[in-house]
Amino acid sequence: LAKTTQPISMDSYEGQEVNITCSHNNIATNDYITWYQQFPSQGPRFIIQGYKTKVTNEVASLFIPADRKSSTLSLPRVSLSDTAVYYCLSDTGGFKTIFGAGTRLFVKA
Amino acid sequence: EAQVTQNPRYLITVTGKKLTVTCSQNMNHEYMSWYRQDPGLGLRQIYYSMNVEVTDKGDVPEGYKVSRKEKRNFPLILESPSPNQTSLYFCASSFGVRQPQHFGDGTRLSIL
Repeated sequence: LAKTTQPISMDSYEGQEVNITCSHNNIATNDYITWYQQFPSQGPRFIIQGYKTKVTNEVASLFIPADRKSSTLSLPRVSLSDTAVYYCLSDTGGFKTIFGAGTRLFVKA
Repeated sequence: EAQVTQNPRYLITVTGKKLTVTCSQNMNHEYMSWYRQDPGLGLRQIYYSMNVEVTDKGDVPEGYKVSRKEKRNFPLILESPSPNQTSLYFCASSFGVRQPQHFGDGTRLSIL
């Protein structure tokens, strides 16, 4: 099964842009790239999904290069409330859903 | 309001006493799934269901059962709970396996 690799943790300051990169070297042709956010003791919350190039919504942007072996989640002007764990998923393993270890983002004042 | 509802939210019980955690969604989603989350191990899928009467094992199915008799409900059954099943459990649903999943608020199980 393909695996995603993300940094374990990142620190940032309020107002800064945060970019979290995910590596998915074995992504399959049909796979989408999906990012979730999770706060402690809450269920993950969908942030953004894309297949190629760039996707933007009211919360974040997702950049996917042409080879699709990586993707970057961009959070503009983060606030303290963006402190959370961010998960990148690219491989469904068939009909399974596989979460990686995620990136723990800590936003400081 | 679109939601995935799990019950109970918290449960403390004893080894061997059968329990069921219910999950219901009101979005007419076909794909439903159960996960457990443990410190240092992340979210691991227990079982999933592609549609009514279609279920399959995830990565950690041992000790669990599920059923999907109706589209909206996907209960998780622990026939003989053991302490190693103490965990935080999440139910999720989506239109399909590649579609964004909606998660419930979680059920914290403690098995003594």
